[in-house]
Amino acid sequence: GAGVSQSPSNKVTEKGKDVELRCDPISGHTALYWYRQSLGQGLEFLIYFQGNSAPDKSGLPSDRFSAERTGGSVSTLTIQRTQQEDSAVYLCASSRLGRDNQPQHFGDGTRLSIL
Amino acid sequence: QQQVKQSPQSLIVQKGGISIINCAYENTAFDYFPWYQQFPGKGPALLIAIRPDVSEKKEGRFTISFNKSAKQFSLHIMDSQPGDSATYFCAASIGGSQGNLIFGKGTKLSVKP
Repeated sequence: GAGVSQSPSNKVTEKGKDVELRCDPISGHTALYWYRQSLGQGLEFLIYFQGNSAPDKSGLPSDRFSAERTGGSVSTLTIQRTQQEDSAVYLCASSRLGRDNQPQHFGDGTRLSIL
Repeated sequence: QQQVKQSPQSLIVQKGGISIINCAYENTAFDYFPWYQQFPGKGPALLIAIRPDVSEKKEGRFTISFNKSAKQFSLHIMDSQPGDSATYFCAASIGGSQGNLIFGKGTKLSVKP
């Protein structure tokens, strides 16, 4: 299909380890978003990439979280020194810019469990 | 600070009934109000969205009602079906559909046959 693809679908790791989560947006979508969905906090915005502009990192919860987007396509969200409170589903979304009301399309997420 | 408040947390409706989910917001700069539907193990999928210059938008069995003065909007699902059983999220953003979405906490809808 041509939807947003995220990998891995599930990740279990030990506290203190680093993890990398990958997002392949829909082809042609220049905007890319990361959100986190957890039981206590619902869906929270993390970071937003728009074309070649500097990313909006205002939602990142701590400096252990970082993200990059290479070549305007694939994005990687990295969490360093993971903590148990990082356990959540990490969702990626993409949208087409330049046309009004283009919605954000979500992937199925990566379920991250920190032991 | 929760910028978008959603209620109820859960809802049980009989097949054929009307499901109503409400949201309220604080920030008058919000200019885009979507509703997303999420099934277990899947990402949220856009159901319907509205801009603040209209008071109602209907798509099939789904209707958004928007009250700008009260800073409230709601989702109505007519003729609810068991296949509508899912979690529904309202959201709001600044900068249209490309803005960062601020989500409500979600409503788990169960439609009983």
